[in-house]
Order: sequence, then C-alpha cells, then structure tokens
Amino acid sequence: GAVVSQHPSRVICKSGTSVKIECRSLDFQATTMFWYRQFPKQSLMLMATSNEGSKATYEQGVEKDKFLINHASLTLSTLTVTSAHPEDSSFYICSAYSGSTREQPQHFGDGTRLSIL
Amino acid sequence: AQSVAQPEDQVNVAEGNPLTVKCTYSVSGNPYLFWYVQYPNRGLQFLLKYITGDNLVKGSYGFEAEFNKSQTSFHLKKPSALVSDSALYFCAVREEEGGGFKTIFGAGTRLFVKA
Repeated sequence: GAVVSQHPSRVICKSGTSVKIECRSLDFQATTMFWYRQFPKQSLMLMATSNEGSKATYEQGVEKDKFLINHASLTLSTLTVTSAHPEDSSFYICSAYSGSTREQPQHFGDGTRLSIL
Repeated sequence: AQSVAQPEDQVNVAEGNPLTVKCTYSVSGNPYLFWYVQYPNRGLQFLLKYITGDNLVKGSYGFEAEFNKSQTSFHLKKPSALVSDSALYFCAVREEEGGGFKTIFGAGTRLFVKA
C-alpha cells in the first residue's frame, strides 16, 4: 500500500532554532500533500496544502513566514519551522493522496514531535 | 460548509464485547466519509470509507461502519473488541474546495478496551 515517510520522528531544540521536517511518498507520486498540527487530546488542525511546483495554500491564522513549505518534487514536501519558540512545540503530521479523486483516502506519515526548550 | 461531529470523547468497552464509535455529519451534497485510527505517537491509518453503494462498509482490522442517510450518521463498529483496538479514532468528511479536496476531521474519540 501507499506509504508516507516523515522524518525526523522527534526533535528537541533550543528556542530560536529553525527546524526542517521532511515528508516523502515512498511508492507513489503525490501532487498534493498536507501538513497538520495536533495538540494533546485534540483533533488535527490543517496548516497548509502543499502543491508540487507551486506555492502552498495556508489556512487562516497560520503564519506563512513562520512555517515555510516547499514541495519541490512529486515525492517530497518539507516544512520548516523558522525561529521556533516554545509555543511551536507540537506534533506535526504530513499526509498525501495517492490519487487525484475525492474518494481516495489520505496516507499519513508517523508524525514529528517537536519540543522547543 | 461540511462538518463532522463525534459526540463521545471516550468509549470504554470490555474485550470481546461489541463496540460502537459514533459519528454524525453535515454535508451539502453526496457525503464522502472516512474513518481513521491513530495509535500513540503515530500518524493516522485509513480504516474504511463510504462513497456510494452498500450502507454497510467493511474495512481493516475487522471494523465496519454503517452509513445512515436519514440520521446523517456513519458509526464505526466492531462485533468483538480487542485490547489492541485501544486507540484514537477520527471520522472525516471530504469536501471540494478551490478545485481540490479538503478533509474535515472530527474531534476524535478515544477507545479503551479493557481485558
């Protein structure tokens, strides 16, 4: 089945550091990838939709300059949290479609737990 | 706008008993409904979906869901729960937006299966 690989699984770093998270579709081409943020005991919050070769579409309230998204190829999207602060600590999950129709399920990476000290 | 609601934060079931995790939806057209499961510190895994056809949909790990149009529900069920089913379950609805698709997730229901 379709597999999405997310790396790293856990990051602990100091305040002010920039952190890059990679999301790869291993056995399919993903024209669209999604980045979510999940707070403890809460649902997924969509941050942005990443389209290959074009600018990401950010959800309302998500800072574009804070959360940089690059989707340079059909199998790789990256999320960079710039100048991270403790309030950015969260569980970040990427997702991709293996098809282009509405009925296709999403495939998720295993998430990245980001802890900013 | 489409939405999905999971009225229970938590469901407790004894192993071997049937389980139900509830989901209701609100859509403007034909519903595209999904169930996902999330184990601790992991991403979500697809369980099953309803697009059209039979109201009873069978999915992974012995789960099934019943689509009920009149009650706008899509409850997740399993005849006999396992301890390993303990996880966080999300119901989701897919809507079209801006030439693409957007998935709306419910708040999630935590399932505890006791041995």
